[in-house]
Amino acid sequence: SYVLTQPPSVSVAPGQTARIPCGGDNIVSKSVHWYQRKPGQAPVLVIYYDTDRPSGIPERFSGSNSGNTATLTISRVEAGDEADYFCQVWDSESDVGVFGGGTKLTVL
Amino acid sequence: QVQLLGSGPGLVKPSETLSLTCTVSDASISSYYWSWIRQTPGKGLEWIGYIFYNGNTNYNPSLKSRVTISLDTSKNQFSLKLSSVTAADTAVYYCARVIVAGNVDYWGQGTQVTVSS
Repeated sequence: SYVLTQPPSVSVAPGQTARIPCGGDNIVSKSVHWYQRKPGQAPVLVIYYDTDRPSGIPERFSGSNSGNTATLTISRVEAGDEADYFCQVWDSESDVGVFGGGTKLTVL
Repeated sequence: QVQLLGSGPGLVKPSETLSLTCTVSDASISSYYWSWIRQTPGKGLEWIGYIFYNGNTNYNPSLKSRVTISLDTSKNQFSLKLSSVTAADTAVYYCARVIVAGNVDYWGQGTQVTVSS
């Protein structure tokens, strides 16, 4: 099955830019979606179709996808952005979704 | 606002069948794909499977032999059954609505299920 790889953790100071990578074989050929999950809460979709933001998600959240890496970028990071972030694609071979292992974003 | 509310026992004995139900509010279950996803400490988020409004299903190959997802349109609910559970099936189980892009736009609150005697 398709495998997505994320670093376990990323740390950034408030006001700086956080970049969370998601690696997969020729991931550029797939649509990548990103979710934010805070402790005790259900995940929230923050980026879909590589770059689109659902309504209500701040413009500080953006996405890109190229080659073997998709990236979630959070600009002007705030304390409230501290959470786990998961990338997800649809695996056409197994016809189910696949998630990356998740990245814990720590705001220093 | 679409709401999904998962329900079911929080404790299941090894070798028994885990059964969960998701009740959907403010949206008809007679469209979209409806999925079950779980979060385990060891494997992160894992997609269990989905059911389409017409009853077609597909399951994760790693769980396929033990999983059944069904639909009850009269109650606007869908359900998960996972048989022969072991401690490895201890997880938070989420019900979710999936749209055509293959992403989840609405999640249930999550149901903690522990497998233990």
